[in-house]
Amino acid sequence: QVHLVQSGADMKKPGASVKVSCKTSGYSFASFGVSWVRQAPGQGLEWMGWISVYNGNTDSAQKFQGRITMTADTSTTTASMELRSLRSDDTAIYYCGRVMVGGATDYWGQGTLVTVSS
Amino acid sequence: SYVLSQPPSVSVAPGKTARITCGGNNIGTKSVHWYQQKPGQAPVLVIHYDSDRPSGIPERFSGSNSGNTATLTISRVEARDEADYYCQVWGTSSYQVFGGGTKLTVL
Repeated sequence: QVHLVQSGADMKKPGASVKVSCKTSGYSFASFGVSWVRQAPGQGLEWMGWISVYNGNTDSAQKFQGRITMTADTSTTTASMELRSLRSDDTAIYYCGRVMVGGATDYWGQGTLVTVSS
Repeated sequence: SYVLSQPPSVSVAPGKTARITCGGNNIGTKSVHWYQQKPGQAPVLVIHYDSDRPSGIPERFSGSNSGNTATLTISRVEARDEADYYCQVWGTSSYQVFGGGTKLTVL
């Protein structure tokens, strides 16, 4: 079966960086992309960006450009997302997902709560 | 940037049909995906590419997309369908977005 298992909850101070990992299994890692979506408390889903594991190309929402780095390690079938210069409004659950051609995310990680607080 | 508009809430009685809309400029020219999210859980893909149902999703779930509106239709609504539903379009970074979400309440 397809599984995406994310790293555990994290707490950071404003201005710091956070890295969330997403360990995948059960499918051909390089045949799909990985997207990153976050959800602030009580709010809706917010698309952050995605990476094509096949060629390493990334694309991110304009509001995160310059602050986000997405990587994919084919040797460990693990994707990672680093967000820098954290602010309190970055407090959210961060999800990774397997992206099919055309952008549908058919499998999701369990989510990682990132809390930004001084 | 591209904006997707969903009604904040929809209510329906069990056994009836729920329709959740997703409005966007010429959305009919884009591929729309729909997700169901229950409290404390990750989203689940229920419709992709406007109207295709992933394996394991009940036939009661269907989708359509034309003009400026995409619609998720849930027939014979059950209590377990109560959740938040999000539409999504995929393109360049300028319009890889989610709608604001619709809370479906089963009366």
